[in-house]
Amino acid sequence: KAGVTQTPRYLIKTRGQQVTLSCSPISGHRSVSWYQQTPGQGLQFLFEYFSETQRNKGNFPGRFSGRQFSNSRSEMNVSTLELGDSALYLCASKVLGLTEAFFGQGTRLTVV
Amino acid sequence: LAKTTQPISMDSYEGQEVNITCSHNNIATNDYITWYQQFPSQGPRFIIQGYKTKVTNEVASLFIPADRKSSTLSLPRVSLSDTAVYYCLVGANAGGTSYGKLTFGQGTILTVHP
Repeated sequence: KAGVTQTPRYLIKTRGQQVTLSCSPISGHRSVSWYQQTPGQGLQFLFEYFSETQRNKGNFPGRFSGRQFSNSRSEMNVSTLELGDSALYLCASKVLGLTEAFFGQGTRLTVV
Repeated sequence: LAKTTQPISMDSYEGQEVNITCSHNNIATNDYITWYQQFPSQGPRFIIQGYKTKVTNEVASLFIPADRKSSTLSLPRVSLSDTAVYYCLVGANAGGTSYGKLTFGQGTILTVHP
């Protein structure tokens, strides 16, 4: 069974640009959540989706957005990139109600 | 969600047993305790989850005292490959909402030496 797939693995963007990251969950998993990890702030929750609806959102500015498609694949978008947006962005999928979340390897975003 | 407190770092040697304790004084009645492991530049990986007493799987054991205000993750005979960050999460459904939100603390950096 394929794991959670995140693309691209690495990305370099310039300040002011926008970026879209993709996450393909494990087959059958309909719950997808996103996290930002930085050395200073650790792992922080961004948002979670289930059945194409955002169910919860973390404390991030409106420049961070996401969506989920009917096949459960999810994308997150960051507009007007800032240097502080440089981070490892992680996606996790799970079966609703079950305990274990499965993470992808993440997308390493560098803003220059 | 219950706040957790873990040691920032721990050191051990190959072949030793490692015990990482997590404090969660305000754990709620329906909260579970879950541990994740994370290697550099990878996503966290689920290790074990428990509610009370002791849980054991092929990787680790989790000890939870009767008052549930703390828990201990036990890794038997660690190897160099166990060097990682270990996170303790507390809450309903793996430390988060039933959908998927997980709230991570600072974690414990475990370094295993030869």
